[in-house]
Order: sequence, then structure tokens, then C-alpha cells
Amino acid sequence: EVQLVESGGGLVQPGGSLRLSCSASGFTFSGNWMTWVRQAPGKGLEWVANINQEGSDKNYLDSVKGRFTISRDNAKNSLYLQMNSLRAEDTAMYYCARDSSPQRSGSFFDAFDIWGQGTTVTVSS
Amino acid sequence: AIQMTQSPTSLSASVGDRVTITCRASQGIRNDLGWYQQKPGKAPRLLIYAASSIQSGVPSRFSGSGSDTDFTLTISSLQPEDFATYYCLQDYNYPRTFGQGTKLEIK
Repeated sequence: EVQLVESGGGLVQPGGSLRLSCSASGFTFSGNWMTWVRQAPGKGLEWVANINQEGSDKNYLDSVKGRFTISRDNAKNSLYLQMNSLRAEDTAMYYCARDSSPQRSGSFFDAFDIWGQGTTVTVSS
Repeated sequence: AIQMTQSPTSLSASVGDRVTITCRASQGIRNDLGWYQQKPGKAPRLLIYAASSIQSGVPSRFSGSGSDTDFTLTISSLQPEDFATYYCLQDYNYPRTFGQGTKLEIK
């Protein structure tokens, strides 16, 4: 079965750190870009970061640059999000997603076709 | 960052209705746009990518169109399981940005 399972969420004080993990199974993890998306309580979706297959290309939401680091371990079929200097506004459900990167007319597109169930991060004193 | 604006923010409709949701980008994004459906307490589900390509397994009543700055998601005949929140997402540049969402409710 193709699936993604997130873990590592929890309650942390402002300024603290957390490391989220996303374990992949049922597909060739090393063959896909991977993405983190978050959703604050009662709010919409927000793209956070992505990483290419080799881990050499990473992109971030401006508000998390310098505080969050996305990484992956293809040998362990795992994606990570190291979150430092956490703020109250980082409180959200965090989802990892696979990007199938379909190609049309010579161009590649984002297509987040597999999602985890999410892990909750709460930043509060 | 490119701003994505969806309209309407909420919509009431009946089973069998034809529904259209629009998404406008603050600058041209070619056809670099996807549509996602989310039900309460669940992860999002991919419906459409590249503005008009339907994801495998998605019912054919869903369709997408548009290019440059204006896009639409159409549901040709609403089914009970379609009541959800819908989001557009641009993948033209970084950071990727979602629309604010359109909540589709039962009339």
C-alpha cells in the first residue's frame, strides 16, 4: 500500500524546536520530490517547503527560511522537517506529500498525489 | 509571492447542480495550477494538475480550465461526496501559494 506517515508533532514552547518525520512506503521514495504543507486551525492550506530527489535542491516559504530545514534520507525512505525558533504562528497540522511531477508538453508540474494523515504542532507557553 | 484569489469563498448548492469555482493569480502563471479537495479532518486530495489534467481516479464530473491568470474548476453534476473545501495552488514559482479556499455546502 502506498502511504506516508508523519510523526514528531507535539506541544513546544515559543523558541523551541521540533523535528517532524514522514515515513514512506509502497513506492520508490527516492524517485520523487517531496513537500511539506501546513494548515493552521480553522485556516487554509499553506505550502512550507519542498526537496528534490537527491536532497540537493530545497525551497522554503519566506516566513520559515532560516528557521526550518527540510531533508531526506532515501535509504530510510524518510522525509524530515527540522523546525527551530518556533513561533505561535507555526501552530498547525503539518502534512507531507509526494509530488508525482507529471510531465505535459515538455514541462513538469507539481501534483501532490499522496498525502500523510498529518501531525499536529502546537507552539504555546 | 504570487497571490491566488478564489471566488466565491463559500457556495451553497444542491445535488445535481453544476458548480464553478474560480481562481485568479496576481500575475500570469501559464497553466501551472492545481486543484485540491479537502474534507473536514482529512488530508487534501489532488483533483487537477496543469490546469486541466485530471488526476487518475478522479471522477470525470470534475474538470479544470484556464491559463495565464484566470482558472476554473467545474463540477458538472454535484454528488453528495463533493461537499468539501476546494483549493487552487500555483506551481509557477516559489513560494508555492494556495488560494484561500472555497467551501462548498449543501443547500
